[in-house]
Amino acid sequence: KQEVTQIPAALSVPEGENLVLNCSFTDSAIYNLQWFRQDPGKGLTSLLLIQSSQREQTSGRLNASLDKSSGRSTLYIAASQPGDSATYLCAVSSNTGKLIFGQGTTLQVKP
Amino acid sequence: EPEVTQTPSHQVTQMGQEVILRCVPISNHLYFYWYRQILGQKVEFLVSFYNNEISEKSEIFDDQFSVERPDGSNFTLKIRSTKLEDSAMYFCASQQTQETQYFGPGTRLLVL
Repeated sequence: KQEVTQIPAALSVPEGENLVLNCSFTDSAIYNLQWFRQDPGKGLTSLLLIQSSQREQTSGRLNASLDKSSGRSTLYIAASQPGDSATYLCAVSSNTGKLIFGQGTTLQVKP
Repeated sequence: EPEVTQTPSHQVTQMGQEVILRCVPISNHLYFYWYRQILGQKVEFLVSFYNNEISEKSEIFDDQFSVERPDGSNFTLKIRSTKLEDSAMYFCASQQTQETQYFGPGTRLLVL
């Protein structure tokens, strides 16, 4: 059974710092991996999707990497801003489309 | 930019009552999903729907749950007899091909 774990559970950094969020999964037979952002009480906003054949994807200040064989992904946020404060969720997909989510990392960026 | 919408945003119901949660997926999408998130817990998969039938469902999705795409635009989740433990945020998602899933803002369901 696929399990997704995210470390750390919470992170507080000063504005301007670069940071890395970690995601690990137990079954490497994934179809793709998606990173989401969730603001308190809100829905999920897709940030990046990495196909299983890819190693990384970039969007603006965000860079996500995937090492399928070791069951790991990282989300790198450059030059963090207070507006980046949110919970970041990692989810892996099988070929059926079902997403299995991690618990999330709650990020606070202090001005 | 097209987006997934959900109604209502909040629903309060008495235990044992039926509720219908509504979603309007992005118009050219083919795959539809319901997930739920109990407060403080992970987002959990409930059911996927493709070509007018359920393609996969989780253990949570028992006989009390059903989904329907009644008119080619709406996608509904019905809970026939709600329980206290059904209280959660329910998210609808849609997908054009097996790529990015786009989520709606959610319906917060509270069962009293």
